[in-house]
Amino acid sequence: GAVVSQHPSWVICKSGTSVKIECRSLDFQATTMFWYRQFPKQSLMLMATSNEGSKATYEQGVEKDKFLINHASLTLSTLTVTSAHPEDSSFYICSVKVPGQSHEQYFGPGTRLTVT
Amino acid sequence: SQQGEEDPQALSIQEGENATMNCSYKTSINNLQWYRQNSGRGLVHLILIRSNEREKHSGRLRVTLDTSKKSSSLLITASRAADTASYFCATDDRIDMRFGAGTRLTVKP
Repeated sequence: GAVVSQHPSWVICKSGTSVKIECRSLDFQATTMFWYRQFPKQSLMLMATSNEGSKATYEQGVEKDKFLINHASLTLSTLTVTSAHPEDSSFYICSVKVPGQSHEQYFGPGTRLTVT
Repeated sequence: SQQGEEDPQALSIQEGENATMNCSYKTSINNLQWYRQNSGRGLVHLILIRSNEREKHSGRLRVTLDTSKKSSSLLITASRAADTASYFCATDDRIDMRFGAGTRLTVKP
């Protein structure tokens, strides 16, 4: 399967600061990537769909000005949590959709964000 | 938003027993997938079943899909302590993938 990396794997930041999380597709060029958020002991919630070269599509209830997504290249999407607060502490997971194969998605290992 | 519900939310069994988890969803799907997640770790893909399939096997895993009832089940036979994890179903409608609430399985040695 395709390899998807995320960086960093964990990060601790102070309240009010911004944090950038990277998601890279290492094996192929991905026009579509997805960002999920998972709170402790809960399921993955789709936050947004990231499309290369265009604006991301956000799920209802997800603030686009708070969670900035940039899919500037076919192998990299970034999620920036702006003005982070403790309630943003979560596990953030990206996934990459395989071009031409609608059922194939590969998930990154996740980034654990802790806001103090 | 999540696609649907899974039950039970938590399941505790003895090693060697079978574990059955159920998943229900709300919309039409292209396929349904099951994933496993160890505490605080990434997802591991277990099995994919397409909308035109009714049953699929992979090792000790057996998945069923009933599109008329919009439900799926995952059976793990002869469970092992190493099977302890959270299990999620995820539905794919060709646009995106959405996850169920998950079942936390504990297999006692």
